[in-house]
Amino acid sequence: GQSLEQPSEVTAVEGAIVQINCTYQTSGFYGLSWYQQHDGGAPTFLSYNALDGLEETGRFSSFLSRSDSYGYLLLQELQMKDSASYFCAVRDARGSYIPTFGRGTSLIVHP
Amino acid sequence: KAGVTQTPRYLIKTRGQQVTLSCSPISGHRSVSWYQQTPGQGLQFLFEYFSETQRNKGNFPGRFSGRQFSNSRSEMNVSTLELGDSALYLCASSSTDEQYFGPGTRLTVT
Repeated sequence: GQSLEQPSEVTAVEGAIVQINCTYQTSGFYGLSWYQQHDGGAPTFLSYNALDGLEETGRFSSFLSRSDSYGYLLLQELQMKDSASYFCAVRDARGSYIPTFGRGTSLIVHP
Repeated sequence: KAGVTQTPRYLIKTRGQQVTLSCSPISGHRSVSWYQQTPGQGLQFLFEYFSETQRNKGNFPGRFSGRQFSNSRSEMNVSTLELGDSALYLCASSSTDEQYFGPGTRLTVT
């Protein structure tokens, strides 16, 4: 089976940098994804890491260490609109596109 | 490209009834997955359909079922509704490593 751990809530101020961690346990590993979900909205894809290292997309970066079964999402220059839930998700090696999601981290950005 | 659409957006049912939800994936996407989202349990995988065949299934009782049509549109059905089935039901379509989610159907069981 698979399990993922991420903090339930993180708070930060506008303009700051915040890191949301995710540790996982899985029988097979194929990649780690991050999704953002605003209240009342649908999850939207942010990033995907299949290999170790940092992937940067604008203000958002995602990191993966397969040896540590660990990844994080880094959000820079925080804006109020970044207040949302962030989910990490792991794909195992079954060959399908179905990830297992963590329970999500609620990010609250204060002015 | 049009996104993933789901109908209806909101639904109120009573215990014991059954419900059918519909999902139209992004054009060209053959994989459609369904998730149940509740505040306490997060996003729970229900099942995935690919080319009209159920390819993966989560740990939900047999009251939850689905199907996919030749045009990739998918439906999920929940029979004998229970109060605990109240949730946001999300559909996602995929072509590669990224899943595209629809807006969801908010089901309330009273």
